[in-house]
Amino acid sequence: QKEVEQNSGPLSVPEGAIASLNCTYSDRGSQSFFWYRQYSGKSPELIMFIYSNGDKEDGRFTAQLNKASQYVSLLIRDSQPSDSATYLCAVRGSGYSTLTFGKGTMLLVSP
Amino acid sequence: DTAVSQTPKYLVTQMGNDKSIKCEQNLGHDTMYWYKQDSKKFLKIMFSYNNKELIINETVPNRFSPKSPDKAHLNLHINSLELGDSAVYFCASSPMLQETQYFGPGTRLLVL
Repeated sequence: QKEVEQNSGPLSVPEGAIASLNCTYSDRGSQSFFWYRQYSGKSPELIMFIYSNGDKEDGRFTAQLNKASQYVSLLIRDSQPSDSATYLCAVRGSGYSTLTFGKGTMLLVSP
Repeated sequence: DTAVSQTPKYLVTQMGNDKSIKCEQNLGHDTMYWYKQDSKKFLKIMFSYNNKELIINETVPNRFSPKSPDKAHLNLHINSLELGDSAVYFCASSPMLQETQYFGPGTRLLVL
C-alpha cells in the first residue's frame, strides 16, 4: 500500500514569514512528486513538480526532494494571506502508476 | 475557454437513485481521471482512461461505471446511490498517464 503522509495542521505563520510544508512517502521507487494548492470549495491546482533530488525554485516557491529519506517539502517565502489554503502532496510511483495524494496540510497566513 | 469542465456543479438526490456526472476537457489530453474527495478532504483516484480505454480501476464498488465516448469526455454513472457516496467528485486530465494532471471544478454530490 503506497502511502503519502502530511501533517494536517493547521500551520500558522505570520505574513512575510517562510512557510515550510513537509511530506513523506512510503514507495521507495517513486519517480515524481507534485504540490497542489486547494482553496476551500475549489479544485486542486498545480504549484510545482519535482523529479530529481535537490531544490527547485519557482518564484516564492521552492520544492525540495530527498529520495534517500523519502521526503519532499515545499517552502513558501514571503507568505501572503492569499497563500492560506490546503497544500496537497502527490506522489507517482514507479512504472505505470497514478498519483497518490496525501491528506493535505492547511496553511493559515495571518496579516 | 474552460480547460476541464464538469456538470452538474451540485447534485442533491435521494438514496437509491441513479445519477450521472459529465466531464469534458478541451486541452487535447489523452488521459482522464475521476477522483473522490471525502469530507476529510482525502483525494482518492477512482478511475483512469487513456484514449477511451480504462487503464486504472481502483477498488470502487461496481455501482460506479465510467464511460468515455471519446478522449475529450469521461462520464461517471452511479447506480443505487448510498449515503456514503456523498463527496466531491473531481475530473482531471493529463497529456499522458505519467504527466501533470489538471483538475475540473468538482461536482458536489449530496445523498439524502
